[in-house]
Amino acid sequence: EPEVTQTPSHQVTQMGQEVILRCVPISNHLYFYWYRQILGQKVEFLVSFYNNEISEKSEIFDDQFSVERPDGSNFTLKIRSTKLEDSAMYFCASTYNPPYGYTFGSGTRLTVV
Amino acid sequence: DQQVKQNSPSLSVQEGRISILNCDYTNSMFDYFLWYKKYPAEGPTFLISISSIKDKNEDGRFTVFLNKSAKHLSLHIVPSQPGDSAVYFCAASAGETSGSRLTFGEGTQLTVNP
Repeated sequence: EPEVTQTPSHQVTQMGQEVILRCVPISNHLYFYWYRQILGQKVEFLVSFYNNEISEKSEIFDDQFSVERPDGSNFTLKIRSTKLEDSAMYFCASTYNPPYGYTFGSGTRLTVV
Repeated sequence: DQQVKQNSPSLSVQEGRISILNCDYTNSMFDYFLWYKKYPAEGPTFLISISSIKDKNEDGRFTVFLNKSAKHLSLHIVPSQPGDSAVYFCAASAGETSGSRLTFGEGTQLTVNP
């Protein structure tokens, strides 16, 4: 069964450093998403991406965040200057026809120290 | 953001019995609802969904019921199995008006005891 692949599975970074989280969505999917889950809290929407541009972003997704689809297969989330409160599980998701068929990756655990 | 709420953080049932997980929502623009199952260190896995034009959807041991007037949905698992032990998330979408984002509840930890 097709999967959404995320790398790395765990990243530790120092406060103020830039991080890039990587995702390979399912190949025929057209809509891409990032969500995050801070420990003990809800899964929260960050951003959606379609046709090479952001289609929607939440209030969490401020100027420190950016997304990119640098080639035909990867979808990345960049955090420019990490803060302690950015520590969370970050999930990538993709679908061909939202809201149907949303598939999530296994997540990247980001720890900011 | 309390648009989707799962009031029970945990539920424990005996193997073979029914598990009922509940979810309430406040946003009347939600028109599609999903249940996800999540194991530790894994991403949410889709279980079952329901459109607002229906009041029930069944898939094997899993049935989702939607009561639009009460803004309430529930997931029934019959019979429950130990492998069903996981965190269950309810999620909702307002369709194209929302850019298809999903809004999640807090999750309910289901434990099925052998």
